[in-house]
Amino acid sequence: TQLLEQSPQFLSIQEGENLTVYCNSSSVFSSLQWYRQEPGEGPVLLVTVVTGGEVKKLKRLTFQFGDARKDSSLHITAAQPGDTGLYLCAGEGNAGNMLTFGGGTRLMVKP
Amino acid sequence: EPEVTQTPSHQVTQMGQEVILRCVPISNHLYFYWYRQILGQKVEFLVSFYNNEISEKSEIFDDQFSVERPDGSNFTLKIRSTKLEDSAMYFCARGGGVSGGSETQYFGPGTRLLVL
Repeated sequence: TQLLEQSPQFLSIQEGENLTVYCNSSSVFSSLQWYRQEPGEGPVLLVTVVTGGEVKKLKRLTFQFGDARKDSSLHITAAQPGDTGLYLCAGEGNAGNMLTFGGGTRLMVKP
Repeated sequence: EPEVTQTPSHQVTQMGQEVILRCVPISNHLYFYWYRQILGQKVEFLVSFYNNEISEKSEIFDDQFSVERPDGSNFTLKIRSTKLEDSAMYFCARGGGVSGGSETQYFGPGTRLLVL
């Protein structure tokens, strides 16, 4: 069974600060996806990373896939209150297309 | 790319009743998935469906669950005899490619199921 551990579970910061969310596993994933989920809604895709060592940027968000494709990070620069939400990582296994989700990081950015 | 739509948005049912949850994707996509999220817990994979057949299923997806695409468009998840522990948000997702090979999955808004 593949597991993804996300850390931290909760993060409360002031507007303008930087933060990093981590997603770690002992398993190799063929791809890793980051989502953001609002209460009562479905996960909304932010990015997919596929290649080991890959870095993708989405405005103030930077996503990195580990060289061994076992871990990933999400870095937010100069966080804004609009970044508040639940961030989820999800890995696609090598044996099939099912996604294994991490437990999520609940981010609160205070003005 | 557009997401899938799901109906109903909310469903309340009595324990032991059958429920059918519906997902309306773009018709030319081949990969579809059902996930569930119990309140406060992780999103969990239930089943994947490729070319009108189940391709993978989890331990959660037991004999009480079934999926089908009856009219080539709507994609349904049926729970035959609901239990209290089936209460959760159920999400449909579609794969990113028309020809297959998911890599990226796009989720619907979910159906909130409450079993009393």
